[in-house]
Amino acid sequence: AQKITQTQPGMFVQEKEAVTLDCTYDTSDPSYGLFWYKQPSSGEMIFLIYQGSYDQQNATEGRYSLNFQKARKSANLVISASQLGDSAMYFCAMREGRVNNFNKFYFGSGTKLNVKP
Amino acid sequence: DVKVTQSSRYLVKRTGEKVFLECVQDMDHENMFWYRQDPGLGLRLIYFSYDVKMKEKGDIPEGYSVSREKKERFSLILESASTNQTSMYLCASSFLRGRRTEAFFGQGTRLTVV
Repeated sequence: AQKITQTQPGMFVQEKEAVTLDCTYDTSDPSYGLFWYKQPSSGEMIFLIYQGSYDQQNATEGRYSLNFQKARKSANLVISASQLGDSAMYFCAMREGRVNNFNKFYFGSGTKLNVKP
Repeated sequence: DVKVTQSSRYLVKRTGEKVFLECVQDMDHENMFWYRQDPGLGLRLIYFSYDVKMKEKGDIPEGYSVSREKKERFSLILESASTNQTSMYLCASSFLRGRRTEAFFGQGTRLTVV
């Protein structure tokens, strides 16, 4: 079974509008971490935001927020006030288990976001 | 700033060649990873290493091997390159930071096997 599922291969959003990128995850471990990365066309992976499984509040980092719904096992990324520079591929990822030296990261298939002027 | 450096951005190799992809990180991270990225499949873990000379298979290790002789360097080896190994290869490293750990990535190597 897929650990991370991103069901939107591509999305369009108008500049200055908000957009939600979907992510669901699958784990039976009560301890895990969820990440979002951005990959521009240049190829580098840029860390955006992190949510721990025990965190009570949704994570926020500037224009990025993570809508964490634990019972539904979803961790959607919300980008407010989209900018042209937000056009990129976005990956949801999970670290499964407690933080230790053996952590692996599982990634989804990605969502390509295009911001229209 | 953490720096993860992959030796090549682009590589073209012939079928059957032995190929080395090198990755170096400068922040004394314990863990290092090799992923391949293909359209529609996202990033898939090939191998990871949690210490010098220690390695574990990821989800798609077939056709690959790795070497970690020094903490800062993690090499991916294609013993006999095949066309289905044409892909983008991403190296990452991570370390424990409080109750969280995140992965830092290199710029990627786009490998074409002809």
